Amino acid sequence: KNQVEQSPQSLIILEGKNCTLQCNYTVSPFSNLRWYKQDTGRGPVSLTIMTFSENTKSNGRYTATLDADTKQSSLHITASQLSDSASYICVVSPPLDGNKLVFGAGTILRVKS
Amino acid sequence: DVKVTQSSRYLVKRTGEKVFLECVQDMDHENMFWYRQDPGLGLRLIYFSYDVKMKEKGDIPEGYSVSREKKERFSLILESASTNQTSMYLCASSRLRLAGDTGELFFGEGSRLTVL
Repeated sequence: KNQVEQSPQSLIILEGKNCTLQCNYTVSPFSNLRWYKQDTGRGPVSLTIMTFSENTKSNGRYTATLDADTKQSSLHITASQLSDSASYICVVSPPLDGNKLVFGAGTILRVKS
Repeated sequence: DVKVTQSSRYLVKRTGEKVFLECVQDMDHENMFWYRQDPGLGLRLIYFSYDVKMKEKGDIPEGYSVSREKKERFSLILESASTNQTSMYLCASSRLRLAGDTGELFFGEGSRLTVL
C-alpha cells in the first residue's frame, strides 16, 4: 500500500531558527513529490515540486530535498518567521494514477517569538 | 488570482439531514476533487471529476455522492448525514495533464461540517 509518513507530528521553534521536516514514502516510482503549506483555517498551498530525478528545490526560505534511494524528502525552513506557523504536508503522486495522490498527515509547526 | 471558492465555511447539521457542499473554480480547470481532512490523517479522496458529468470514486466514497453539471462547479452531497461525517471538507481543482504528470492542486478554504 502506498504510504507517506511525516515526522515530527508537531514542532515548536523560536523565531529566527532553522528547522527540518521529514517525509518518508513508499510510493516508488513516482511522478512528483510536492510540499504544501496549510495555514490554520485555510486550504493547502503548494510550496515546492520535485520530480523523481531532482535532488533539491528552493522557494525563498524553503528548501526541499529528495533522496530517491532512501525514499525520503525533507523540507528545510531557514530563519523562521511567525508566518511560517502552519501545517506542512508532503504529497506523492503515483505515476500511473496521477489523480490518486498520497498525502502525509502533516507536521504542525509553531514559531514562537 | 486563481480561486477556488467553497460556499460554506461552517455548517452544523443534524443526523439524517441532506447536506450540499458546493465548490466553484475560476481557472477553467478540467479536474476537480473533494477531500476529507481529519486530525492525524492525511487528506483522503472522496470523489474526483475530470470533465463535466464525469466522476470517479476515490478512497472513501461511501455515504457521499457528487455532481458536476458545469465545468466550474463541483458539488458534494451527503444524502443522510451521520456523526462520523463530521470533518473538514476540502475542494480542489487542477489542470488536466498527461498521465502521471499531476498538476498543482488549488484548494478552497474548506468547509467544516459538524453533524449532531
